[in-house]
Amino acid sequence: NAGVTQTPKFRILKIGQSMTLQCTQDMNHNYMYWYRQDPGMGLKLIYYSVGAGITDKGEVPNGYNVSRSTTEDFPLRLELAAPSQTSVYFCASSPSGAGGYTFGSGTRLTVV
Amino acid sequence: GQQLNQSPQSMFIQEGEDVSMNCTSSSIFNTWLWYKQEPGEGPVLLIALYKAGELTSNGRLTAQFGITRKDSFLNISASIPSDVGIYFCAGYNNNDMRFGAGTRLTVKP
Repeated sequence: NAGVTQTPKFRILKIGQSMTLQCTQDMNHNYMYWYRQDPGMGLKLIYYSVGAGITDKGEVPNGYNVSRSTTEDFPLRLELAAPSQTSVYFCASSPSGAGGYTFGSGTRLTVV
Repeated sequence: GQQLNQSPQSMFIQEGEDVSMNCTSSSIFNTWLWYKQEPGEGPVLLIALYKAGELTSNGRLTAQFGITRKDSFLNISASIPSDVGIYFCAGYNNNDMRFGAGTRLTVKP
């Protein structure tokens, strides 16, 4: 099994550009999450989904949007990139939401 | 919000030494977890704790869920070079997992 796959691995954006970070999982997990990781800060939850068609905000949702049209995919959209969104983004999934997440390998985004 | 305080921030130890790190919170969590992250990868779950007072081992790793549900510790015994990485504690309630800032472990052969 591939687990949780994130693309791209690296991206440089100019201020004001938009992009979509892709996340797909092949474990048939209902729960999916997007986190950002800043140096020395741990991971902070951006958005999560408990199933197809259902999404909800996490701790730091501003500047981001998500959709969950299928169980497998949970893309994260940045509409107007800002330098404050420079970070490493991790997607994760779990079968029941009880805490044992499987993480992807991350997308390193730089906004200049 | 629910903040987790993880200490120490970093540790430099000799191979074979034991390691201890801990995590405290002002809020109660129903589940405590410990993850390890290696460079260029996402965190990988090491141990999950579901009950106050629970002590769980995974090989050389031992973790405990504090009685007050506001803290947890992780011990690594007889460290080896591949233990190098960043260790994160996490507290979980109702689809919300909060992470500590991590303990960066360096093991000198």
